[in-house]
Amino acid sequence: AQSVTQPDIHITVSEGASLELRCNYSYGATPYLFWYVQSPGQGLQLLLKYFSGDTLVQGIKGFEAEFKRSQSSFNLRKPSVHWSDAAEYFCAVLPYGNKLVFGAGTILRVKS
Amino acid sequence: EAGVVQSPRYKIIEKKQPVAFWCNPISGHNTLYWYLQNLGQGPELLIRYENEEAVDDSQLPKDRFSAERLKGVDSTLKIQPAELGDSAVYLCASSFPGANVLTFGAGSRLTVL
Repeated sequence: AQSVTQPDIHITVSEGASLELRCNYSYGATPYLFWYVQSPGQGLQLLLKYFSGDTLVQGIKGFEAEFKRSQSSFNLRKPSVHWSDAAEYFCAVLPYGNKLVFGAGTILRVKS
Repeated sequence: EAGVVQSPRYKIIEKKQPVAFWCNPISGHNTLYWYLQNLGQGPELLIRYENEEAVDDSQLPKDRFSAERLKGVDSTLKIQPAELGDSAVYLCASSFPGANVLTFGAGSRLTVL
């Protein structure tokens, strides 16, 4: 079945530590890929997107993501996490000609 | 520019009561979406409009949910009657036609008692 999987429901990292949030998808062809962030009580803000080309994409707030076709993955990374990064992160895919599908989200907690 | 505006931000009602949510998209965004976000889950599409036409409403529970976008700008999502399971956040988003990037509003959080 076609799906978007974020294996980690919660992740806790220390401030200043590196971060990687995982995302896997199962679609026949490579869809468009997105990462959104949602702070408490807020809507979703686009962090970055991948349509084609360079498989390492840069986004806002110092985030980056790498598309790996062989693994059907689009993991989000940040070298040094700040306390303000605490939020919920959603991976989303847009299969060609279809509609945007979100993963269940990963809640990031940052400890000082 | 103003973002996607939604109101009310919070609504508490008793079951069987009606409720309505309003969305004003970004100017020029002819495509408008309503998403449902249950606690602990990602958003799920309820309905998509291209101008005033609902082009994808396959996930909208039509027995109690309705939506309209009469002039192709603002949109209203209604639930009547509300059930306990409708407690969730209702997100509105908009985009240029054919664009792949959506801009989301802050959402309307509904609590049904």
